[in-house]
Formats: sequence, C-alpha cells, structure tokens
Amino acid sequence: DAKTTQPNSMESNEEEPVHLPCNHSTISGTDYIHWYRQLPSQGPEYVIHGLTSNVNNRMASLAIAEDRKSSTLILHRATLRDAAVYYCILRVWVGKLIFGQGTELSVKP
Amino acid sequence: EAGVAQSPRYKIIEKRQSVAFWCNPISGHATLYWYQQILGQGPKLLIQFQNNGVVDDSQLPKDRFSAERLKGVDSTLKIQPAKLEDSAVYLCASSLFGDNTGELFFGEGSRLTVL
Repeated sequence: DAKTTQPNSMESNEEEPVHLPCNHSTISGTDYIHWYRQLPSQGPEYVIHGLTSNVNNRMASLAIAEDRKSSTLILHRATLRDAAVYYCILRVWVGKLIFGQGTELSVKP
Repeated sequence: EAGVAQSPRYKIIEKRQSVAFWCNPISGHATLYWYQQILGQGPKLLIQFQNNGVVDDSQLPKDRFSAERLKGVDSTLKIQPAKLEDSAVYLCASSLFGDNTGELFFGEGSRLTVL
C-alpha cells in the first residue's frame, strides 16, 4: 500500500488560511488522494478527494502537484472548529482506506 | 439523513471477558467497515463487508475477534476473550460504493476499556 508523509502537528491562527502538506512519492496512477479529518471524540469525516486536478468544495481545496507526488489541503479561513487531526490517505482500488498518523492542527484565537 | 449508529458508546470490562459492539449503517449503504483506533494512532481497518460478504479481514485477530453482518444491514463485532491491548475505540463506517470515490461515513465509535 502506498504511504503518505505528513507533519505531526501544525498551528494556525483563526481566520487565516492553512496549508496542510502531504507527500506521497510512491503514488500509483490509479490512487486517489483522500483527506479526512477527526474532531476530538468523534469518528473521522470526509473532507475532499482528487485524482489529478485541483478540487474545491465547501469545506476545503485540494491542490495536487503535477507529478502527483505531493498534495496540499487548503482551509481558506481557519476557525476554532477546524482544530482536528487531518489524514491524507491514498486509496487503492477496491476501497481500502488506510489511515496514517495524520497532522494535528491547532487553531489559536 | 440518519448517520451511522453505534452502541454502546462506552464499555469497561475485565480481561478475559467478552464484549460485543453493534453498528447500524446508513440506509442503502452496501459496504460496512470496522476500524480499531488505539489512543494516539490513526484508525486501523479490521474488516470490510460488501453486503453480507467479507471483502477483507486480513487485519482481524481471528483467534479472539469475530464480526458478522446478517442480511447485509446491521453488523456486530465481538471480542472474546478480551486482552488489555484491545482497549481502543471501535469505529464503524459505511459507504454507498465500494470503490475509490465512495465517501466513508463514520459513527461516533464505541470506547472499550479492558482492565
């Protein structure tokens, strides 16, 4: 299974943009890049996913490098409710979702 | 739309006892997953069902863990006998499609403490 590398923790100020990086140098052509986040005492929730092109939704944007070896999750305006562990996951065919350690994001008022 | 329901939310047992967790997925979701999340770690997939058939149980410790999904809807995860290292949150998730684009919806989890 292809692996991802994320920083253990990041800090952000409220109402500022946040860029969460993810490296996945061994990604294969059919791997989708998924992002989930886990708020304290809750199950993970889907944030966004993409294959090759950049993606936007109401929660975040996903910027994917041209060679697909890295990607960045962008929260345009962090709020206190965005404090969570963010997981970058490569999803292989047949649907297995394998979580790594993730990045713990803290947001300061 | 109702989310993934799990029970109980919390359970404390002594080692060597047994415990069972129940999951009711979102209506119409064919794929169901059980994950184990030990404190400070990311969730680890234990078993994946497609309808009532097992797709992947390679990480399930089959000497003590068992899971079933009768009639392709509800699922039960059982641990017997429990060990101290089974203390974790057990997360159930479901998805509409069993492919690369299917979003997983997680329940709030069942927290197990083994004393």
